[in-house]
Amino acid sequence: DIQMTQSPSSLSASVGDRVTITCRASQSISTYLNWYQQKPGKAPKLLIFAASTLQGGVPSRFSGSRSGTDFTITITSLQPEDFATYYCQESYMAPYTFGQGTKLEIK
Amino acid sequence: QVLLQESGPGLVKPSQTLSLTCSVSGVSISSGTYYWSWLRQPAGTTLEWLGRVSSTGGINYRPSLNSRVTVSLDTSKNHFSLDLRSVTAADTAVYYCARYFSGWDSDYFDYWGQGILVTVSS
Repeated sequence: DIQMTQSPSSLSASVGDRVTITCRASQSISTYLNWYQQKPGKAPKLLIFAASTLQGGVPSRFSGSRSGTDFTITITSLQPEDFATYYCQESYMAPYTFGQGTKLEIK
Repeated sequence: QVLLQESGPGLVKPSQTLSLTCSVSGVSISSGTYYWSWLRQPAGTTLEWLGRVSSTGGINYRPSLNSRVTVSLDTSKNHFSLDLRSVTAADTAVYYCARYFSGWDSDYFDYWGQGILVTVSS
């Protein structure tokens, strides 16, 4: 299985801050990397697919990038509704592993 | 608008079979572009993909569960199902159904059900 190592596991930030979350794949996955946002008691929501393509309706303050097997999601100018848990997920091969998650909390 | 909704028992006894159904509206599950998938999330942990099926006959399962899991489609009812056999307490989780889009250069879960908590306990 491909291992997805996500960091940090938690992050405190303030409204208006810029934050970056990183995900490293254990092998090459090209751009088969997606990012999801999950709020407590809710299903995950697709934010970014193919490493850097914003899903429709997702605000432009979210962006994704890739450097080799390292992937990042950046949120510029954090809004109150952005405080949630974020997961990366590889879609290169089954079992389509998710990262362990990054809980973004209000400082 | 694409909507998915899980249904099934919230409590299953150990060694029995966990059976869930996902009702889909707003799109036909007969569309060959998509795989219809099941995932789960134990409390406080990450998501785990269990299996998927497409109307064109493609079926894949999580290798570690391969002998216990079956995913099937019922195109007449526009729903799909999960059976997980011989459950233990370790199978306690929120179970999600989701649509998996498979394209030329990108694959992703784009629509999800709200999730259903299934507890395995006697």
